[in-house]
Amino acid sequence: KAGVTQTPRYLIKTRGQQVTLSCSPISGHRSVSWYQQTPGQGLQFLFEYFSETQRNKGNFPGRFSGRQFSNSRSEMNVSTLELGDSALYLCASSLQSGGYNEQFFGPGTRLTVL
Amino acid sequence: GDSVTQMEGPVTLSEEAFLTINCTYTATGYPSLFWYVQYPGEGLQLLLKATKADDKGSNKGFEATYRKETTSFHLEKGSVQVSDSAVYFCALYSGGGADGLTFGKGTHLIIQP
Repeated sequence: KAGVTQTPRYLIKTRGQQVTLSCSPISGHRSVSWYQQTPGQGLQFLFEYFSETQRNKGNFPGRFSGRQFSNSRSEMNVSTLELGDSALYLCASSLQSGGYNEQFFGPGTRLTVL
Repeated sequence: GDSVTQMEGPVTLSEEAFLTINCTYTATGYPSLFWYVQYPGEGLQLLLKATKADDKGSNKGFEATYRKETTSFHLEKGSVQVSDSAVYFCALYSGGGADGLTFGKGTHLIIQP
């Protein structure tokens, strides 16, 4: 069974631009969660989507948004990029909603904002 | 809010040494507790979990016991191997609409032959 895939793996943008990251979950998984990983803050929860609906949202500004499609693939968008948005963005999928369920993580997208 | 504290390392051990990585938490209610591991070049993967007090999670020779009285979930292994070199994350989930998993900062473990 193929794992969680994320595209692109690396991205370089400049301040003020916007970016869209993509995540394809494991086949049959309906929940997709996004996390931001930085050296200073560690792993922080962004949001979770289940059956095309946002279930939970972490403490991030409205510039961070996402969506989920009917095939469970998910995209995350960051508008008006800031230097502090440079991070590794991880996507995780699971069969059901909620952190109780085993999360399967992708390799991440490394975003650098210049 | 919820939080997880763990030693950040790096922790360097010789092969066959005993391993302990400490993890303590602060949470409302009765969270589920997890250890995730990230091997070089790979995504995080679940190592073990415990869902209630005194539960012991175990996998691949690793163990951790959910201690409610000390709010801890320390990871142990009796004899580490070079292949155990990785970053280990302690995490919790409080449920009830909680904001996803809450992770510790991660502990980088290096095992020398």
